[in-house]
Amino acid sequence: NAGVTQTPKFQVLKTGQSMTLQCAQDMNHEYMSWYRQDPGMGLRLIHYSVGAGITDQGEVPNGYNVSRSTTEDFPLRLLSAAPSQTSVYFCASSYRDRGSSYGYTFGSGTRLTVV
Amino acid sequence: KQEVTQIPAALSVPEGENLVLNCSFTDSAIYNLQWFRQDPGKGLTSLLLIQSSQREQTSGRLNASLDKSSGRSTLYIAASQPGDSATYLCALNTGFQKLVFGTGTRLLVSP
Repeated sequence: NAGVTQTPKFQVLKTGQSMTLQCAQDMNHEYMSWYRQDPGMGLRLIHYSVGAGITDQGEVPNGYNVSRSTTEDFPLRLLSAAPSQTSVYFCASSYRDRGSSYGYTFGSGTRLTVV
Repeated sequence: KQEVTQIPAALSVPEGENLVLNCSFTDSAIYNLQWFRQDPGKGLTSLLLIQSSQREQTSGRLNASLDKSSGRSTLYIAASQPGDSATYLCALNTGFQKLVFGTGTRLLVSP
Protein backbone atom coordinates (compact mmCIF):
# COMPACT_ATOMS: atom_id res chain seq x y z
CA ASN A 1 0.00 0.00 0.00
CA ALA A 2 1.84 3.11 -1.26
CA GLY A 3 -0.32 5.78 0.41
CA VAL A 4 0.29 9.21 -1.16
CA THR A 5 2.99 9.39 -3.82
CA GLN A 6 4.45 12.70 -4.95
CA THR A 7 6.77 13.20 -7.91
CA PRO A 8 9.29 14.63 -8.44
CA LYS A 9 11.00 14.90 -5.06
CA PHE A 10 13.24 17.76 -6.19
CA GLN A 11 12.92 20.25 -9.05
CA VAL A 12 14.71 23.40 -10.20
CA LEU A 13 12.85 25.69 -12.56
CA LYS A 14 13.73 28.90 -14.30
CA THR A 15 11.46 31.89 -13.88
CA GLY A 16 8.61 31.71 -16.35
CA GLN A 17 8.73 27.96 -16.89
CA SER A 18 5.70 25.80 -16.22
CA MET A 19 5.52 22.38 -14.67
CA THR A 20 3.18 19.91 -13.01
CA LEU A 21 3.69 18.35 -9.60
CA GLN A 22 2.14 14.91 -9.51
CA CYS A 23 0.18 13.44 -6.61
CA ALA A 24 -1.45 10.02 -6.51
CA GLN A 25 -3.16 8.09 -3.72
CA ASP A 26 -4.27 4.48 -3.64
CA MET A 27 -6.52 4.56 -0.57
CA ASN A 28 -9.72 5.65 -2.34
CA HIS A 29 -9.80 8.79 -0.22
CA GLU A 30 -12.45 11.30 -1.15
CA TYR A 31 -10.55 14.45 -0.20
CA MET A 32 -7.20 15.66 -1.56
CA SER A 33 -5.30 18.89 -1.05
CA TRP A 34 -2.06 20.71 -1.76
CA TYR A 35 -0.07 22.70 0.80
CA ARG A 36 3.11 24.68 0.59
CA GLN A 37 5.55 24.97 3.48
CA ASP A 38 7.76 28.01 3.85
CA PRO A 39 10.17 28.82 6.70
CA GLY A 40 8.45 30.60 9.56
CA MET A 41 5.01 30.39 7.96
CA GLY A 42 3.86 26.84 8.47
CA LEU A 43 1.88 24.93 5.86
CA ARG A 44 -0.66 26.88 3.85
CA LEU A 45 -3.46 25.45 1.73
CA ILE A 46 -3.19 26.08 -2.01
CA HIS A 47 -6.11 24.10 -3.51
CA TYR A 48 -8.29 21.25 -2.38
CA SER A 49 -10.76 18.76 -3.81
CA VAL A 50 -13.75 17.08 -2.17
CA GLY A 51 -14.12 14.51 -4.93
CA ALA A 52 -13.46 13.79 -8.59
CA GLY A 53 -14.41 16.76 -10.73
CA ILE A 54 -14.69 19.16 -7.75
CA THR A 55 -11.91 21.56 -6.76
CA ASP A 56 -11.72 24.84 -4.87
CA GLN A 57 -9.19 27.45 -3.83
CA GLY A 58 -7.39 27.53 -0.53
CA GLU A 59 -5.50 30.35 1.16
CA VAL A 60 -2.76 30.90 -1.47
CA PRO A 61 -4.08 29.79 -4.89
CA ASN A 62 -2.55 32.45 -7.15
CA GLY A 63 -0.17 31.07 -9.77
CA TYR A 64 -1.41 27.48 -9.37
CA ASN A 65 -3.97 25.38 -11.15
CA VAL A 66 -5.47 22.00 -10.27
CA SER A 67 -7.87 19.44 -11.68
CA ARG A 68 -9.27 16.16 -10.35
CA SER A 69 -10.35 13.89 -13.17
CA THR A 70 -10.02 10.71 -11.08
CA THR A 71 -10.23 9.86 -7.38
CA GLU A 72 -6.59 8.80 -7.39
CA ASP A 73 -4.82 11.78 -8.98
CA PHE A 74 -4.59 15.46 -8.05
CA PRO A 75 -1.86 17.25 -10.04
CA LEU A 76 -0.74 20.79 -9.23
CA ARG A 77 0.28 22.99 -12.15
CA LEU A 78 2.55 26.00 -11.92
CA LEU A 79 1.57 28.19 -14.83
CA SER A 80 4.58 30.55 -14.96
CA ALA A 81 7.05 29.89 -12.16
CA ALA A 82 8.22 32.79 -9.99
CA PRO A 83 10.94 32.87 -7.31
CA SER A 84 8.19 33.40 -4.71
CA GLN A 85 6.99 29.86 -5.48
CA THR A 86 10.22 28.38 -4.16
CA SER A 87 8.90 26.13 -1.40
CA VAL A 88 8.26 22.58 -0.28
CA TYR A 89 4.95 21.27 -1.59
CA PHE A 90 2.93 18.59 0.18
CA CYS A 91 -0.02 16.67 -1.15
CA ALA A 92 -2.47 15.12 1.29
CA SER A 93 -5.45 12.83 1.05
CA SER A 94 -8.08 12.30 3.70
CA TYR A 95 -11.39 10.66 4.45
CA ARG A 96 -14.29 11.12 6.75
CA ASP A 97 -16.59 8.22 7.52
CA ARG A 98 -20.15 8.24 8.83
CA GLY A 99 -18.92 7.95 12.38
CA SER A 100 -17.10 11.29 12.04
CA SER A 101 -13.78 9.47 12.04
CA TYR A 102 -11.07 11.22 10.06
CA GLY A 103 -7.80 10.08 8.56
CA TYR A 104 -5.09 12.11 6.90
CA THR A 105 -2.10 10.91 4.88
CA PHE A 106 0.61 13.21 3.58
CA GLY A 107 3.08 12.63 0.80
CA SER A 108 6.81 13.07 1.39
CA GLY A 109 6.93 16.41 -0.42
CA THR A 110 8.40 18.08 -3.49
CA ARG A 111 11.18 20.59 -2.94
CA LEU A 112 10.92 23.23 -5.66
CA THR A 113 13.45 25.96 -6.37
CA VAL A 114 12.71 28.70 -8.89
CA VAL A 115 15.76 30.67 -10.07
CA LYS B 1 -9.41 34.32 9.65
CA GLN B 2 -8.25 31.43 11.80
CA GLU B 3 -4.77 31.96 13.23
CA VAL B 4 -2.81 29.24 14.97
CA THR B 5 0.16 29.91 17.25
CA GLN B 6 2.53 27.37 18.72
CA ILE B 7 4.72 28.05 21.72
CA PRO B 8 7.57 27.51 22.21
CA ALA B 9 9.08 27.67 18.71
CA ALA B 10 11.95 25.46 19.85
CA LEU B 11 12.59 23.28 22.88
CA SER B 12 15.64 21.34 24.02
CA VAL B 13 15.35 18.85 26.89
CA PRO B 14 17.33 15.95 28.32
CA GLU B 15 16.04 12.44 27.83
CA GLY B 16 13.39 11.33 30.32
CA GLU B 17 11.72 14.68 30.88
CA ASN B 18 7.99 15.17 30.58
CA LEU B 19 7.12 18.10 28.37
CA VAL B 20 4.19 20.15 27.13
CA LEU B 21 3.77 21.76 23.73
CA ASN B 22 1.17 24.48 23.33
CA CYS B 23 -1.14 25.43 20.49
CA SER B 24 -3.57 28.36 20.55
CA PHE B 25 -6.16 29.37 17.97
CA THR B 26 -8.44 32.33 17.45
CA ASP B 27 -11.68 30.77 16.13
CA SER B 28 -13.38 27.97 18.05
CA ALA B 29 -15.52 26.93 15.05
CA ILE B 30 -13.49 23.84 14.20
CA TYR B 31 -14.33 20.25 13.31
CA ASN B 32 -11.26 18.76 14.91
CA LEU B 33 -7.68 19.48 15.92
CA GLN B 34 -4.77 17.30 14.99
CA TRP B 35 -1.15 16.99 16.09
CA PHE B 36 1.43 15.96 13.51
CA ARG B 37 5.07 15.08 13.67
CA GLN B 38 7.49 16.12 10.92
CA ASP B 39 11.01 14.75 10.64
CA PRO B 40 13.61 16.75 8.65
CA GLY B 41 13.09 16.38 4.91
CA LYS B 42 10.07 14.16 5.41
CA GLY B 43 6.30 14.41 5.24
CA LEU B 44 3.88 14.69 8.12
CA THR B 45 2.81 11.84 10.37
CA SER B 46 -0.47 12.11 12.23
CA LEU B 47 -0.10 11.57 15.98
CA LEU B 48 -3.45 12.37 17.56
CA LEU B 49 -6.77 13.75 16.37
CA ILE B 50 -9.28 15.30 18.77
CA GLN B 51 -12.84 15.81 17.62
CA SER B 52 -14.40 19.16 18.48
CA SER B 53 -16.70 17.43 20.98
CA GLN B 54 -13.83 15.69 22.78
CA ARG B 55 -11.56 16.97 25.52
CA GLU B 56 -8.52 14.73 25.06
CA GLN B 57 -6.95 11.81 23.25
CA THR B 58 -4.16 9.49 24.30
CA SER B 59 -1.77 7.28 22.39
CA GLY B 60 1.08 5.64 24.26
CA ARG B 61 3.25 8.35 25.82
CA LEU B 62 1.31 11.11 24.08
CA ASN B 63 -1.73 12.93 25.42
CA ALA B 64 -3.45 15.80 23.65
CA SER B 65 -6.11 18.02 25.18
CA LEU B 66 -8.53 20.49 23.61
CA ASP B 67 -10.27 23.46 25.23
CA LYS B 68 -12.30 25.18 22.53
CA SER B 69 -13.66 27.86 24.86
CA SER B 70 -10.16 29.17 25.54
CA GLY B 71 -8.80 28.35 22.08
CA ARG B 72 -6.05 26.10 23.35
CA SER B 73 -4.63 22.63 22.87
CA THR B 74 -1.68 20.99 24.54
CA LEU B 75 0.41 17.98 23.57
CA TYR B 76 1.94 16.21 26.55
CA ILE B 77 4.89 13.89 25.92
CA ALA B 78 5.82 11.64 28.82
CA ALA B 79 9.33 10.32 29.44
CA SER B 80 10.82 11.90 26.33
CA GLN B 81 13.30 9.94 24.20
CA PRO B 82 15.88 11.01 21.58
CA GLY B 83 13.62 9.44 18.95
CA ASP B 84 10.99 12.06 19.81
CA SER B 85 13.20 14.75 18.28
CA ALA B 86 11.22 16.31 15.44
CA THR B 87 9.00 19.28 14.66
CA TYR B 88 5.50 19.05 16.08
CA LEU B 89 2.65 20.78 14.25
CA CYS B 90 -0.90 21.39 15.33
CA ALA B 91 -3.56 21.80 12.67
CA LEU B 92 -7.25 22.70 12.76
CA ASN B 93 -9.85 21.28 10.40
CA THR B 94 -12.00 24.24 9.37
CA GLY B 95 -14.32 22.24 7.11
CA PHE B 96 -14.05 20.08 3.98
CA GLN B 97 -10.90 18.60 5.51
CA LYS B 98 -9.07 21.92 5.06
CA LEU B 99 -6.31 22.29 7.61
CA VAL B 100 -4.90 25.48 9.12
CA PHE B 101 -1.46 24.83 10.58
CA GLY B 102 0.62 26.41 13.29
CA THR B 103 4.27 27.15 12.62
CA GLY B 104 5.43 24.26 14.77
CA THR B 105 7.62 23.51 17.78
CA ARG B 106 11.06 22.09 17.03
CA LEU B 107 11.92 19.56 19.74
CA LEU B 108 15.38 18.21 20.50
CA VAL B 109 15.76 15.46 23.10
CA SER B 110 19.35 14.82 24.04
CA PRO B 111 20.61 11.49 25.43
